[in-house]
Amino acid sequence: ILNVEQSPQSLHVQEGDSTNFTCSFPSSNFYALHWYRWETAKSPEALFVMTLNGDEKKKGRISATLNTKEGYSYLYIKGSQPEDSATYLCAFIYGNAGKSTFGDGTTLTVKP
Amino acid sequence: NAGVTQTPKFQVLKTGQSMTLQCAQDMNHNSMYWYRQDPGMGLRLIYYSASEGTTDKGEVPNGYNVSRLNKREFSLRLESAAPSQTSVYFCASSEVGTSGYNEQFFGPGTRLTVL
Repeated sequence: ILNVEQSPQSLHVQEGDSTNFTCSFPSSNFYALHWYRWETAKSPEALFVMTLNGDEKKKGRISATLNTKEGYSYLYIKGSQPEDSATYLCAFIYGNAGKSTFGDGTTLTVKP
Repeated sequence: NAGVTQTPKFQVLKTGQSMTLQCAQDMNHNSMYWYRQDPGMGLRLIYYSASEGTTDKGEVPNGYNVSRLNKREFSLRLESAAPSQTSVYFCASSEVGTSGYNEQFFGPGTRLTVL
C-alpha cells in the first residue's frame, strides 16, 4: 500500500485569509497527481490533474504546484470564502488503468 | 448525460447476507473503480477495471468481488457481509488523456450498514 499523506488534517481560517495544504506521495511510478474538492453530502469533484514535474495549475482563486522529484504537491487558496469550505483530497495515480491511492484529505472551514 | 449512477443509495444488511452494488457510466470511459470511504479516512480502492473484461485488486479487496459486465457497468458484490464492511461506497470512471490519466468522475455513493 502506497503512502500518500496530506497535511494538515484540518484547517480553520477566517474569510479573506489565504491558505495552503500539502500532499506527499512516492517519487517513483508516478503517472499523475489529482486534486479533488469534496463537499459534505456530495461526491468528489476534480480540481486539477497534474502530470509534469514543475506543473502549476490555476482555477480562479485556487492554484496547485507539483514536484515529482521530491514527491509533493501544494494546493493554495487565495482569499478564502465560506463556499471554499470542503475536504480537499489528493490522489496519486500510478500503474496501469489509473490505479490510484488517495490521501485522507484536508478539511477546510472558512468562517465568515 | 447522467454521468456515473449508483444503486441503491442506502442499504441495511444483516451479517452474512449478500448484495450487489450497481454502477453505470455513460461517458464511454474505459476505466472504472470501486472505493470505500470510512470516517476520518480518504477513499480506499477496492477493485478497478482498465477495460471491459478485465478487473484487478486495489488496496482493500478482501470480502468483495466485482464484475465488469460491459463497458458501461461495473458491479461490486459482497458475498457474506460483515460489520467491518459498513461504509460509504463510491464508484468512479475515467479515461486516459493525452498526458496521462484524466480525472475520475464519481457517482453519488451508496451508504451501506451491516448489522
